[in-house]
Amino acid sequence: DSGVTQTPKHLITATGQRVTLRCSPRSGDLSVYWYQQSLDQGLQFLIQYYNGEERAKGNILERFSAQQFPDLHSELNLSSLELGDSALYFCASSVGDGIGEQYFGPGTRLTVT
Amino acid sequence: DQQVKQNSPSLSVQEGRISILNCDYTNSMFDYFLWYKKYPAEGPTFLISISSIKDKNEDGRFTVFLNKSAKHLSLHIVPSQPGDSAVYFCAAREDTGNQFYFGTGTSLTVIP
Repeated sequence: DSGVTQTPKHLITATGQRVTLRCSPRSGDLSVYWYQQSLDQGLQFLIQYYNGEERAKGNILERFSAQQFPDLHSELNLSSLELGDSALYFCASSVGDGIGEQYFGPGTRLTVT
Repeated sequence: DQQVKQNSPSLSVQEGRISILNCDYTNSMFDYFLWYKKYPAEGPTFLISISSIKDKNEDGRFTVFLNKSAKHLSLHIVPSQPGDSAVYFCAAREDTGNQFYFGTGTSLTVIP
């Protein structure tokens, strides 16, 4: 158990809908990272927050947005969902800002039908 | 454009022998490299990291080697154990920010 929690574990929704994925980092970690893993793909970095501020942006679509709240939990919002958005979404946390080991949650499996 | 590549999708090794997992990268701005292990239905687990100012880092059975001129990274596991059977990802960070790039993974099977 990494100490990072993600909810929900599974999500099935229809195209055009909007969903919110939630992540609680390990106690004491200030950074939260979001990744997408599609079928047969490596992990694609989406976005990173450090202590509430956006610090780095990767291949995140404009339909996706994220935020980190004062209690350090983070939410990833996916809107106007398309079939291609079906993937595993991982959240990770670390103590430092982009450095040091990242602890990953178990992931949220999103299926868009 | 895959900036971090793991060209071997799978690798089988006998228990007790050395496992060598390889990773190549194209971006000379990477300054920090990591290896992760992933079991099915779980998130990746951090194994070991190395800064670009070093060429070797060791932690128990795991050693990572960095060859900057060749833009090549390798993870050595000695001795290999059946519990090491998992998918291994290498990752790299750009020094211009905190963007992380992952390879597609190598599935290691350690045969008892």
